[in-house]
Amino acid sequence: NAGVTQTPKFRVLKTGQSMTLLCAQDMNHEYMYWYRQDPGMGLRLIHYSVGEGTTAKGEVPDGYNVSRLKKQNFLLGLESAAPSQTSVYFCASSSASTSRPEQFFGPGTRLTVL
Amino acid sequence: AQSVTQPDIHITVSEGASLELRCNYSYGATPYLFWYVQSPGQGLQLLLKYFSGDTLVQGIKGFEAEFKRSQSSFNLRKPSVHWSDAAEYFCAVAPSFSGGYNKLIFGAGTRLAVHP
Repeated sequence: NAGVTQTPKFRVLKTGQSMTLLCAQDMNHEYMYWYRQDPGMGLRLIHYSVGEGTTAKGEVPDGYNVSRLKKQNFLLGLESAAPSQTSVYFCASSSASTSRPEQFFGPGTRLTVL
Repeated sequence: AQSVTQPDIHITVSEGASLELRCNYSYGATPYLFWYVQSPGQGLQLLLKYFSGDTLVQGIKGFEAEFKRSQSSFNLRKPSVHWSDAAEYFCAVAPSFSGGYNKLIFGAGTRLAVHP
């Protein structure tokens, strides 16, 4: 049981390049999330999904797109990277059960945009 | 608007000393409350959670937290800190589950250093 995994762990991009971050979970969770973590700001929600084929905007969605074609996967895309998107990105998942709302996090992806 | 405040950005304690990390939240009703820990270069690990019932909750690694409704606080404590506890600690709140997605609001974090 791997929990939540993220690919890649590190990436360096040049301004204007595109990339996709992959998140996978093996806990059969309905909900999945993408956060970014910046110093002194905690974690901020970028996008989330409440089920296969559905996505929604979070707190800081601009410059990002997401897709959830399969229940276990949640992809985060940067179409044209900017230096302001230099950050650590975390994926998380949670059950839709009312008794288990806690989120489980992946190890993170450190992205640098030059 | 809902918010979470962790007043201490950095805390340094000696190994073996007691620890208390503060967390205050602003929310209209009693939310779900969480503490997560992040070791350097790692993801976030759930330490403990409060949903309802006993206001003193026990977590992993010897941590506990107490929910005080009157103070809108959920402070994290440990009686004797180990060097391996050096990490960043995040308090988070979520609205009592209403059938929608589980929106977590995080504090800015408290970085704990442990002196030998």
